[in-house]
Amino acid sequence: GQNIDQPTEMTATEGAIVQINCTYQTSGFNGLFWYQQHAGEAPTFLSYNVLDGLEEKGRFSSFLSRSKGYSYLLLKELQMKDSASYLCAAVDSNYQLIWGAGTKLIIKP
Amino acid sequence: DVKVTQSSRYLVKRTGEKVFLECVQDMDHENMFWYRQDPGLGLRLIYFSYDVKMKEKGDIPEGYSVSREKKERFSLILESASTNQTSMYLCASSLREVTGANVLTFGAGSRLTVL
Repeated sequence: GQNIDQPTEMTATEGAIVQINCTYQTSGFNGLFWYQQHAGEAPTFLSYNVLDGLEEKGRFSSFLSRSKGYSYLLLKELQMKDSASYLCAAVDSNYQLIWGAGTKLIIKP
Repeated sequence: DVKVTQSSRYLVKRTGEKVFLECVQDMDHENMFWYRQDPGLGLRLIYFSYDVKMKEKGDIPEGYSVSREKKERFSLILESASTNQTSMYLCASSLREVTGANVLTFGAGSRLTVL
């Protein structure tokens, strides 16, 4: 079957760095998305990786290892506004999205 | 700056009622989707549409139907609401890409409670 695993909840301190991991098992693979969702709001696109390696966008970076079925989202210089849920979604061979349950990130002062 | 609008943020309905959830996008996207979001579960696809008057079942279509009469509008219909349909419903849209994966633009969600 197809499966995505990510931690349910993480806590980090303002100004610090946090890494949110995501492992996936899919029938075929056509990339991996990360979305951010603040409480009560729409998920918004953060990143899409299809090739191995690290992609950096300001304070946020996303890494993919296709051979290990693994991705992570790295958030640097954490701010209070980064408190949100982070959703990982893999694209299977039919270009359908398989979603993880999301990681709730709590930032403490 | 609103791109995907869901008409109702909060609804409370009774078991057996017919429920309409409306979604409108202003980005001229071909693809539209309805998901439900429940605690501890990933987003689950109910129905999607690649074109006007076209619909495809997702992973959990039972108890739901959809309508897409215009490109910008995609409606989710619960013919006879049940308590297990209490959930957050998210509408999304995307461009139709020939290859690759599409970035979804989501609405803010409609939280439905069925009593």
